[in-house]
Amino acid sequence: GAVVSQHPSWVICKSGTSVKIECRSLDFQATTMFWYRQFPKQSLMLMATSNEGSKATYEQGVEKDKFLINHASLTLSTLTVTSAHPEDSSFYICSARVTGLGYTFGSGTRLTVV
Amino acid sequence: GNSVTQMEGPVTLSEEAFLTINCTYTATGYPSLFWYVQYPGEGLQLLLKATKADDKGSNKGFEATYRKETTSFHLEKGSVQVSDSAVYFCALRGSGNTPLVFGKGTRLSVIA
Repeated sequence: GAVVSQHPSWVICKSGTSVKIECRSLDFQATTMFWYRQFPKQSLMLMATSNEGSKATYEQGVEKDKFLINHASLTLSTLTVTSAHPEDSSFYICSARVTGLGYTFGSGTRLTVV
Repeated sequence: GNSVTQMEGPVTLSEEAFLTINCTYTATGYPSLFWYVQYPGEGLQLLLKATKADDKGSNKGFEATYRKETTSFHLEKGSVQVSDSAVYFCALRGSGNTPLVFGKGTRLSVIA
């Protein structure tokens, strides 16, 4: 149980376009979703925390207008990378904390901007 | 703030060798500590955890003991297998509904 389905698993896009990444909780309600990004050989860095029905809280240094997070329902949170640039190429992963079970993670999305 | 430092890889071992991946942390209060594993092409999976000092987490032959005196949570396995090849992340969580703080990850390659 407590599965988070993340799509797409990988995406290649052109500079200047936008990419949407979806995370769905399949068998539980995710009140809070955490979004991380991981650069090669680096740790997972928290980007933002999204709460259902309210605005996301962004970590220092993360541009909220560039990384749009929407958490409109208890089973879906999305991250949209707007006007993507090559430096946005990274591995993005979502995570939800499930009461009594700990954290569950999506399988991640590898974004390559060309 | 909270932080995690783990040994840098990559680590390459022969099958049946002993594994240690060091992890130390900085945190206020009494964090919970975790080891996550990421197999090639897959998402993160919880390997083991410990929620208080002197607790030992164990799973699949891996062990780690929460040492408050040395602020460490080193991962060990007595005899690694090729199937253990993966990236291992040490992580901590403070109190409340807070996100995990991760180390940089250590890539382990086990060769037959």
